[in-house]
This record gives sequence, structure tokens and C-alpha cells, in this order.
Amino acid sequence: DAGVIQSPRHEVTEMGQEVTLRCKPISGHDYLFWYRQTMMRGLELLIYFNNNVPIDDSGMPEDRFSAKMPNASFSTLKIQPSEPRDSAVYFCASSPALSTPRETQYFGPGTRLLVL
Amino acid sequence: AQSVTQLGSHVSVSEGALVLLRCNYSSSVPPYLFWYVQYPNQGLQLLLKYTSAATLVKGINGFEAEFKKSETSFHLTKPSAHMSDAAEYFCAVSRVDYKLSFGAGTTVTVRA
Repeated sequence: DAGVIQSPRHEVTEMGQEVTLRCKPISGHDYLFWYRQTMMRGLELLIYFNNNVPIDDSGMPEDRFSAKMPNASFSTLKIQPSEPRDSAVYFCASSPALSTPRETQYFGPGTRLLVL
Repeated sequence: AQSVTQLGSHVSVSEGALVLLRCNYSSSVPPYLFWYVQYPNQGLQLLLKYTSAATLVKGINGFEAEFKKSETSFHLTKPSAHMSDAAEYFCAVSRVDYKLSFGAGTTVTVRA
């Protein structure tokens, strides 16, 4: 199994530009999570999907952030327009059906975003 | 609300010495607790998890953790540190809505 795949691994952009981060979950996993990691705030859950449907987006910081999951094998996290404070590492994780809270989430390698 | 607190943001140990990372949780229901490890420039990898089957949980790479309800703790240990254990370690609790709530993390450095 290839694991969770994220692209790009690194992104450097200028303030005001649109940024799109991509994620391919593990095949057969029903849940997909987007996290953000910063020194100041640690690991934060931004949004998660179940069977391609957004379930909870309460962690999305503001309207500049949006996420989609058009099919079971692909999700995007978009920031438009980007700001320097969005600089962080963004992780995607997937999980099999969460019949109980004990299920493991499997993390991708992350996308390191720097907004200048 | 369910949350975890990791005591100590940085731990330095000598190679071959005991590694002890502390995690305390607050939960109004039986918790599901996890330890993840993050190596430099990589994603998080599951070390072990507590699911109420046994209070002493063994994980990968020689790590284990003991769930102590009376102390609301889930400390992570490894008897003998190896240079490859240098990483950041996160304790997490799974909430009833399946969201993972992470601690602030503990960075481990291993001295030769």
C-alpha cells in the first residue's frame, strides 16, 4: 500500500496567490482529515470528510480556506488568497470506517507551505 | 471536553538510557489514547494506541505505554534509547466525534 499521498511536498508562494494542496487517501478508507501544524498552535484539525461528504469544517480558519473531495481517491485544500500567517505544514490523514473512536488515522508526509 | 497534556516540550537522553514521555488526559468518558511519532520532515506515524483491551500497550520500535485511570495518565516509555528515536512525539485522544485532539508534542534528542 502506498499510504496517503500528498502533493506538492513543498510550496512557496507570494501573498495573495491561490494555493491548492492535494491528497490521495489510502484506498478503501472512508474518512479523510486535513490538519495544519504550526509552532504556535500545534496540530489542528481543519475539516474532515466521510464518504466524500464534509462532516465538520469548524476548524477551517476563515472563508479563504475551502476543501473538496470530488471522489473517494482525491481531496483538495485551497487557500485563496493566501497570507503569510497561512505558512504551516498541512497534513492529510485517512482512516477506515470509524465504527468506534479507536480507529487509527494514517497520515501523509505533509505539504510545507511558505507564503511570502 | 477531552484533551491531553504532555509534560515537557523537550527531553534529552543518553543512548541506552530510559525514555519516559509523560501524557495526562482529561476525559469524561473512557478515552481512546494514541501515541504518534513524527520524524523530521515526515508525517505522523502511529506508535501505539490504548483501546481498553489491556492497560499495558506495546507498540513499534520497542515503545510501550501504560494506561493508569487513577492517575489519568498514558506515559510512553522505552527501556533503552537509540539514536534513531530522535523525533517529536505526540499524545492524542480520540473524542466521541472521532476527532483526534493532540498534545503539544515532546521533542526527544538522543546523546551519543
